[in-house]
Amino acid sequence: AQKVTQAQTEISVVEKEDVTLDCVYETRDTTYYLFWYKQPPSGELVFLIRRNSFDEQNEISGRYSWNFQKSTSSFNFTITASQVVDSAVYFCALSERRETSGSRLTFGEGTQLTVNP
Amino acid sequence: ETGVTQTPRHLVMGMTNKKSLKCEQHLGHNAMYWYKQSAKKPLELMFVYNFKEQTENNSVPSRFSPECPNSSHLFLHLHTLQPEDSALYLCASSQDWAQYVTQYFGPGTRLTVL
Repeated sequence: AQKVTQAQTEISVVEKEDVTLDCVYETRDTTYYLFWYKQPPSGELVFLIRRNSFDEQNEISGRYSWNFQKSTSSFNFTITASQVVDSAVYFCALSERRETSGSRLTFGEGTQLTVNP
Repeated sequence: ETGVTQTPRHLVMGMTNKKSLKCEQHLGHNAMYWYKQSAKKPLELMFVYNFKEQTENNSVPSRFSPECPNSSHLFLHLHTLQPEDSALYLCASSQDWAQYVTQYFGPGTRLTVL
């Protein structure tokens, strides 16, 4: 069975600090996709990034960066110079291939990030 | 309107009421999903529709009844709910149901069952 673990339930930082959110996954698939979503207090899950299992290049988008390490089954997310607006719950998810219904996302339990001024 | 919209945003209902949640996507997608998000729990997939056909019912109680009249609209009909059904109900859509596609979510309906 697929599993995603976000061991950090809550993280609190002061503005401008860098923060890394951890994500570890388990899968038997050789081809899989990993996602990060942000859920601000408004409730909507906002898509941040999708990576496939064959592309281990790290990615940077502004203050956001992602470190995919297949050898350790991890897909960690770093926010550089955090801002108060980054306060949200962040979810890591794994796309699972299913024979009868296409694909299915397995979500981690989320990490509540609070950035204090 | 853009993206995925959901109405109402908040709903309070008694256990004997019947209500419906509505989801509409403006992205031209063919797959739509209902998720339940309870406090302290991971998101739970409830239903999947692909080209208006239900492709997954994740052991959801019959007091939740989905309806997908077309690829842009998805409803969740509620009747005789229990207090433990109080949660945030999220709708999502994707281009299709391939493994690599990204799901885009609406803002959710916060449901409280009294």
